[in-house]
Parts: sequence; C-alpha cells; structure tokens
Amino acid sequence: QKEVEQDPGPLSVPEGAIVSLNCTYSNSAFQYFMWYRQYSRKGPELLMYTYSSGNKEDGRFTAQVDKSSKYISLFIRDSQPSDSATYLCAMTLSYGKLTFGQGTILTVHP
Amino acid sequence: DAGVTQSPTHLIKTRGQHVTLRCSPISGHKSVSWYQQVLGQGPQFIFQYYEKEERGRGNFPDRFSARQFPNYSSELNVNALLLGDSALYLCASSPGSGEGYGYTFGSGTRLTVV
Repeated sequence: QKEVEQDPGPLSVPEGAIVSLNCTYSNSAFQYFMWYRQYSRKGPELLMYTYSSGNKEDGRFTAQVDKSSKYISLFIRDSQPSDSATYLCAMTLSYGKLTFGQGTILTVHP
Repeated sequence: DAGVTQSPTHLIKTRGQHVTLRCSPISGHKSVSWYQQVLGQGPQFIFQYYEKEERGRGNFPDRFSARQFPNYSSELNVNALLLGDSALYLCASSPGSGEGYGYTFGSGTRLTVV
C-alpha cells in the first residue's frame, strides 16, 4: 500500500466548474500538507500548504486537511483553461522529505 | 530573482554509462533535494543535503550518489545506468532543512537511457 493515494483521473470539466481533488494517506505522523501544480515538461509549482488540520484559502483555491480521516482536498473555484495541469498532493514530517501522490491530470475545456 | 536552475535540460545516455546532473539553488537557500519522477507518477525522494551534509536518503540503490558544494549547488550522480533510470530528475531548494513546505522545484533534467 502506498503512503499517499491519489486518483490519477484524468478529470475533465467545463470552464467555470468547481474542481475537487483529493488524497488519502496512511502515515498519521505527517504534519505539513501541500498541493503542487505541474505543467507539462515543467517542475512542480507550490500552490498551497497547510499545517495540521484545517482550511486555507488563497484566491480561487481552498485546501482542506482532515487528519482524523487522513484525507486532504484541494478545491478550485471558477476553473479556467489555464488550470489544466497535473495536480500533486504532497506531505512531510518535520524534516524535508516530501512524499507525493501519483498526481491527478486535470483538463478544463472552454 | 533566478529560480532553481538545473542542467542539462535533456540527456540521452546508453545503458551502463554514468551521468552527472547539476542543480543551482535559489540564492540564500542552503538545502537541496533530489527527486525522480517517472512518467505518470509523482516525484520520489532520492536525497536531501543541507549545509553540505546528507540529511536524508530515499529508497534508491547505491548507484545513486550526490553531493553539495560550498556555494550550495549540488550534483546527482548515477552509475551503471539502467533503462529504468529514464525519468525526469527534479531538484528542489529550501532556505532550511526542516521546512518541507518551502521547497521550490526546478524544471528538471529529462534523462533517457537507451
């Protein structure tokens, strides 16, 4: 069993839709939770990070962490074609090793 | 400000050869980590270096090695290349060693082993 599970999709939505991306994990010691966006042939770009349980909002993006369920989510409101990318969840203990999910391929069509 | 710089961007090697990948972190960042990303998968942790010392190693064979230089740049070396080593190799830098959320990634080196 992988430490971090993420549905690879692909996910296709119309422009303006609300997108929900999710990951589950097995290691209860994870403390920091992140979402990265990766465009084709590029490195991952940090979108959101949260510490422990709770919600965090940044513009059209909202990250949620539920440590009791070992479940994290990223919501994208008013999705745009430019949001089309692979979205990676990642998490870490107190030191620097990041453990990533498989990534979800998202396409937002006009 | 310059981001994380990796070189070369693309590389083709033959099985059994050796390869060296290079990374320059963001100015002021003292920690560098290396990740391997196989097509269709998330990045897998290989190494972390902080202040020129190894701080973490992932589940990779001894054919993989790395080092960090006094200017905080880093090299990843892979010996006796296998076809399965074909991947995107990512370098990430951070100001310190413990703030996992603070990592900035480069665009990677795409290695193809034939």
